[in-house]
Amino acid sequence: QVQLVQSGAEVKKPGASVKVSCKASGYTFTSYDINWVRQATGQGLEWMGWMNPNSGNTGYAQKFQGRVTMTRNTSISTAYMELSSLRSEDTAVYYCARECGSGTKNWFDPWGQGTLVTVSS
Amino acid sequence: QSVLTQPPSVSEAPRQRVTISCSGSSSNIGNNAVNWYQQLPGKAPKLLIYYDDLLPSGVSDRFSGSKSGTSASLAISGLQSEDEADYYCAAWDDSLNGSWVFGGGTKLTVL
Repeated sequence: QVQLVQSGAEVKKPGASVKVSCKASGYTFTSYDINWVRQATGQGLEWMGWMNPNSGNTGYAQKFQGRVTMTRNTSISTAYMELSSLRSEDTAVYYCARECGSGTKNWFDPWGQGTLVTVSS
Repeated sequence: QSVLTQPPSVSEAPRQRVTISCSGSSSNIGNNAVNWYQQLPGKAPKLLIYYDDLLPSGVSDRFSGSKSGTSASLAISGLQSEDEADYYCAAWDDSLNGSWVFGGGTKLTVL
């Protein structure tokens, strides 16, 4: 079955960087964009950006421009999201999600199980 | 402050019907498809409705979606206790360089 499995929880100090992985299985990794969405505790969903695993092209939410980098390793069907200059407000669960559909009539399915990133001194 | 506006909470008794609204603008809901996600407590979001009103395989037909102009709605009929969850609407927004936008989420309580 189609599945996205993310790396484990991380604890980082302010100013550090974190890199979260998302391993895809059950489909052709390079055929679907991967998006990243985060959720602070008790809060809603916040979109961070997308990556095309075939071309490596990316698009980031304005809020994260300059701080986020999305990459991939096609040989192991894995996408990565790296967030730098971490601050306490970045404490959240980070999700990867496969983008299905075409054009702008797309949707996210499935989602990874989430990775908790805690930023604390 | 979310780009799409949802009520923070709704509640209804078992076996009843409830609707959750999602209000946007011409740059998102008015021009693009709306998707709905269900997030059970402590779990990752799950696709519930896509392309305004389509049900993914395996999703109960008690769930339905609709859209009119710059607003969308999710309806749940025959409410069950396992429907207690947070529900999010989402759409692509054409403004600036384009981005996905979400509603703030609606917590459904089955009384």
